Amino acid sequence: DAKTTQPPSMDCAEGRAANLPCNHSTISGNEYVYWYRQIHSQGPQYIIHGLKNNETNEMASLIITEDRKSSTLILPHATLRDTAVYYCIVPTTSGTYKYIFGTGTRLKVLA
Amino acid sequence: EAQVTQNPRYLITVTGKKLTVTCSQNMNHEYMSWYRQDPGLGLRQIYYSMNVEVTDKGDVPEGYKVSRKEKRNFPLILESPSPNQTSLYFCASSLFFPGRSGNTIYFGEGSWLTVV
Repeated sequence: DAKTTQPPSMDCAEGRAANLPCNHSTISGNEYVYWYRQIHSQGPQYIIHGLKNNETNEMASLIITEDRKSSTLILPHATLRDTAVYYCIVPTTSGTYKYIFGTGTRLKVLA
Repeated sequence: EAQVTQNPRYLITVTGKKLTVTCSQNMNHEYMSWYRQDPGLGLRQIYYSMNVEVTDKGDVPEGYKVSRKEKRNFPLILESPSPNQTSLYFCASSLFFPGRSGNTIYFGEGSWLTVV
């Protein structure tokens, strides 16, 4: 099973870019990386996903290293509403089919 | 509107009194799952279902049961609740099983369960 490692917490100034790293060194060649976030105790919300290439959508950018062992989620202009717990997920597909969320990174955007 | 609906949202119950938390999705998704969230432990998967009549254990299945008789519904059953099952529960669904491209997971709003 691919597992992910994220820093437990980070701070970011409002208006600046927030760069959230994730290590997934055991990822296999066809496994995607997904990012979700959870604001307070609401249900987690999808942000972005990718396989090999960098991806961008209206919420964020995802940079995946060439060896695919790590990735970085970038919120280009963080706002106070981006304060949340961010989860990097690699679904398991060998034997069982699970999304392992872990404890994520608690991002605090500071005014 | 695409939705995953859980009920009840809040419940206080007593030890040993059977309860069911319902989950329904309106997106014709094949994959559904239940998670519990406890302080400091993140989201942990309880059970999942790949399709109708196909269910399997997640990481913390003890004390829970599930069934998937219809595609849209995936109830979580606590046959004899205990205080250590006090938690925030989330139901989730996705079109396909994990690993397929673009397989966004949709979450319900959560159910706060307290067992006294």
